[in-house]
Amino acid sequence: TQLLEQSPQFLSIQEGENLTVYCNSSSVFSSLQWYRQEPGEGPVLLVTVVTGGEVKKLKRLTFQFGDARKDSSLHITAAQPGDTGLYLCAPLGGSNYKLTFGKGTLLTVNP
Amino acid sequence: NAGVTQTPKFQVLKTGQSMTLQCAQDMNHEYMSWYRQDPGMGLRLIHYSVGAGITDQGEVPNGYNVSRSTTEDFPLRLLSAAPSQTSVYFCASSRFSTVGYGYTFGSGTRLTVV
Repeated sequence: TQLLEQSPQFLSIQEGENLTVYCNSSSVFSSLQWYRQEPGEGPVLLVTVVTGGEVKKLKRLTFQFGDARKDSSLHITAAQPGDTGLYLCAPLGGSNYKLTFGKGTLLTVNP
Repeated sequence: NAGVTQTPKFQVLKTGQSMTLQCAQDMNHEYMSWYRQDPGMGLRLIHYSVGAGITDQGEVPNGYNVSRSTTEDFPLRLLSAAPSQTSVYFCASSRFSTVGYGYTFGSGTRLTVV
């Protein structure tokens, strides 16, 4: 059974600040997905990272997949209140259709 | 394009009652799944299906049944509701991909069992 940890569990910051959240595991993944979930809604896919060391940018969000494909990070530059939500990582292993989620990082960006 | 539609959005049941949570997708996705989300526990997989007529258990299947008679529909049945099944339930669907195609989630059903 893989152990999947997301940190921090909670993060409250002011608008304009930068932040990084992490997703770590004891297992190697074939790929990894990041989702954002807003209150009262289902998760929405942000990105899929596939190659060890890969970096993907989505506007102010930067996603990195670790070289060993056991960890990932999400960096947000100049956070805005609209970034508020629960950020979930979901690594994919042999069964690519069977998503297992971390418990998430709950981000609050205060105006 | 409706995506994944879940009904109802809210439901209150009495202990021992049965009900079916509906999930429908219009994207011709092969894979569908049900998750429950509880505070501090994250999203946990209940059951999943890789195509019509094929279902399998996830991490927390006890107390729930599923069937997949069509590609579009994947209902979740609670046979005898218990307070421990109070949760928010999400249905998701995806197309097969070697690198993990993006999952589309419904907006959830908030279930309270009293």
